[in-house]
Order: sequence, then C-alpha cells, then structure tokens
Amino acid sequence: QQQVKQSPQSLIVQKGGISIINCAYENTAFDYFPWYQQFPGKGPALLIAIRPDVSEKKEGRFTISFNKSAKQFSLHIMDSQPGDSATYFCAASISGFQKLVFGTGTRLLVSP
Amino acid sequence: DAGVTQSPTHLIKTRGQQVTLRCSPKSGHDTVSWYQQALGQGPQFIFQYYEEEERQRGNFPDRFSGHQFPNYSSELNVNALLLGDSALYLCASSYRGRGDYGYTFGSGTRLTVV
Repeated sequence: QQQVKQSPQSLIVQKGGISIINCAYENTAFDYFPWYQQFPGKGPALLIAIRPDVSEKKEGRFTISFNKSAKQFSLHIMDSQPGDSATYFCAASISGFQKLVFGTGTRLLVSP
Repeated sequence: DAGVTQSPTHLIKTRGQQVTLRCSPKSGHDTVSWYQQALGQGPQFIFQYYEEEERQRGNFPDRFSGHQFPNYSSELNVNALLLGDSALYLCASSYRGRGDYGYTFGSGTRLTVV
C-alpha cells in the first residue's frame, strides 16, 4: 500500500513535443504529491506539487493532472526542450510526515 | 544561501567496515531526512531527525543509525557494510518536520562497497 507505481521507465520525445509521465498509488491517506527532477550527479529537485483538493496545477510548461477517484496523477511537460532531459520521479506523502514514497523514475530524453 | 551540503561526495569502503556520512541542512531548516537511492531506482526513506531525535524510520536494519546535532546537522552511520549497501545516499532538509513545506535535497554521497 506504500508503493507508488510510475510509468514509463524511459521516454524519448522530440523537441517541442509533450512529455507525459504517469503515476498510481494505493494509500488513500496520501495527500501531497510532488514531482522531482534529477540530473546526473545531483540530488532530486522539486519541480511541482499538488494536493488532492485540486485536479490540475500548472507552473510554466509543467502541469500535474490529478484523478483522485482513480488514484492516479501525471506530469505533462509542454514544449519539451533538450534541457528537460533528466530523470523524473513522482512521490507521495502524508501531510505532516517526512517520509516521501518515490516512484521508480522515468528517464526522459528530449531529442533536438 | 547555501543549500544542503553533504560530505564526502564519494567513498569506497570494504565489506564489513563502518562508514559515516555527514549532512548540513539548508539555512533555516531544522529537520533532516536520509534516503538511499540504488542505481536506477527511486530514493528509499531511511529515517528522519527533528529536534535531535529520530522521528520516523523506514524499512532499514539497525545497522543504519543516525544522529542530529544542536546546529541541525546530521550524520548517517552504517555498520558491517554489505555489497548491497552500495548506493547514493541523499540527505534532505525541511522546516519543522514538514516535508510538504518544501524538501531540499543535497547532491548525495556515492558509497561503493567492495
């Protein structure tokens, strides 16, 4: 119940295209869903986060879509750029607690 | 404004040895969490320290222990190293034990056990 399942494992998108990464969870107590971006040799950096009281959150080219009934959430990267090439992790936690449960990651490659 | 600082950046140890990793949290943060990230995997929660006490612990054996100092910095100790302990160890800091207020990760310590 503590797992967060992430797909796809890897993704290749052309420059200017839309990158979509999906995650699913089981624990309905989760109420905070962040996405992290990780470049090689670096730690994860918070990209965008959402709570289940909204169905969508947009920040620049990055959008989280959240489906509470399906227990799924996804990251959309619009107008993908080569600089977006990185590994993306979804995560989930219960507010007030430190433990983040991470997905297995998606390696995104944006071709020029 | 310094972010999370971890040392050392790389470390090679022999099976059975002990290792200590260090972390200084971001300025203004008082909570430190440690994660293990195996190659090609997502980070796995080890434990969290707030007010110099271990507040939460993940599914890791007692060989993994930690400490938080009055200046909020933290150490992760691993005893009796196994080959499977080879991983990137990440430290994350936050404020008042709230991960949803913003988690800042360090760049990690790459531990190789041979």
